[in-house]
Amino acid sequence: QVQLVQSGSELKKPGASVKVSCKASGYTFTSYAMNWVRQAPGQGLEWMGWINTNTGNPTYAQGFTGRFVFSLDTSVSTAYLQISSLKAEDTAVYYCARDHCSSTSCYPNWFDPWGQGTLVTVSS
Amino acid sequence: QSVLTQPPSASGTPGQRVTISCSGSSSNIGSNTVNWYQQLPGTAPKLLIYSNNQRPSGVPDRFSGSKSGTSASLAISGLQSEDEADYYCAAWDDSLNGRWVFGGGTKLTVL
Repeated sequence: QVQLVQSGSELKKPGASVKVSCKASGYTFTSYAMNWVRQAPGQGLEWMGWINTNTGNPTYAQGFTGRFVFSLDTSVSTAYLQISSLKAEDTAVYYCARDHCSSTSCYPNWFDPWGQGTLVTVSS
Repeated sequence: QSVLTQPPSASGTPGQRVTISCSGSSSNIGSNTVNWYQQLPGTAPKLLIYSNNQRPSGVPDRFSGSKSGTSASLAISGLQSEDEADYYCAAWDDSLNGRWVFGGGTKLTVL
């Protein structure tokens, strides 16, 4: 079955970096775009951006430029989210979510499936 | 402040019908389809309704979606205790070079 499995929880100190992985299975990885979504504690969902799994080209939403990097390793069907210079306000659950299409701007489109989420805690 | 507006909470008793609204604008709901996601406590969001009113396989027909103009609604009939969850609407927004936007979420309580 189609599924996304993310790496485990992380506890990091302010200023450190973290890399979250999202391993896909059950479908052709390069045929569907991948999105990243953040959910701060007790808050709603916030779209961080997406990566074209065919070209590797990332697009970042406002507020997620500079310290956030999306990348791929297509040989192992895995997408990555790296966050550098971590701050306390980066504490959140990060989800990967597959697009219905190869580009997130295709129409119509939706996210399915989602990874199980990775909790990143930033604390000294 | 979310781009799409949802009521923060909703409630109903078992067997009742409840609706959750989602209000947007011409750049999102007004020109694109709406999706709904269900997030059970402590779990990842799951696709519940796509393209305004389509149910993925496995989603009970108690769940239905609709859209009119710049607003959308999710209806749950025959409410069950296992429906207690957070519900989020989402749509593509054509502004700012294009982006996905979500509602703030509605916490549904089954009394």
